[in-house]
Amino acid sequence: ETGVTQSPTHLIKTRGQQVTLRCSSQSGHNTVSWYQQALGQGPQFIFQYYREEENGRGNFPPRFSGLQFPNYSSELNVNALELDDSALYLCASSPAGGKGETQYFGPGTRLLVL
Amino acid sequence: AQSVTQLGSHVSVSEGALVLLRCNYSSSVPPYLFWYVQYPNQGLQLLLKYTSAATLVKGINGFEAEFKKSETSFHLTKPSAHMSDAAEYFCAVNTGTASKLTFGTGTRLQVTL
Repeated sequence: ETGVTQSPTHLIKTRGQQVTLRCSSQSGHNTVSWYQQALGQGPQFIFQYYREEENGRGNFPPRFSGLQFPNYSSELNVNALELDDSALYLCASSPAGGKGETQYFGPGTRLLVL
Repeated sequence: AQSVTQLGSHVSVSEGALVLLRCNYSSSVPPYLFWYVQYPNQGLQLLLKYTSAATLVKGINGFEAEFKKSETSFHLTKPSAHMSDAAEYFCAVNTGTASKLTFGTGTRLQVTL
């Protein structure tokens, strides 16, 4: 059974650019959540997708957007990058997005904005 | 609103000593509580979770946690620390209808010889 995978592992962008991060969910999981983890902090919830629909959003501006595909893989897009967007971006999948379900995390994508 | 407070950003113990990492939560509804571990340059791995069954929850690698409603706590313990336990530990709570997690700021565990 393949776990959650993310690509790329590392990325360097400049302020104002746009970035797309990708996530493949664990087999059998239809829910994907994205988190931002700044250095020295706990992960912060960005949003969740359940069966291709957004199913909850954290306190992040609209320039953070996402997509989930029919195979339940997902993308996180960030427009107009700012220096504070530098962080580890974690993707997590769960079987059905219900309360109390375990979320299984990928290794993350480390984004550096210069 | 739900929140988690982890007391102590850094904890250092000797190998073989008791590990105690503290977590207090705030929630207006019965919570689901989780402990995750993060090794350097890796994602998060689930240690254990509380889902209102038994209040004492056993997890992987010899860790366990006890849910105490009266104290709104979910502290993580391990009787005997091993060098391989050195990592960052995060407590998280889920109370909404979806599986969104709210994390604490983490506790870095150092294990010394």
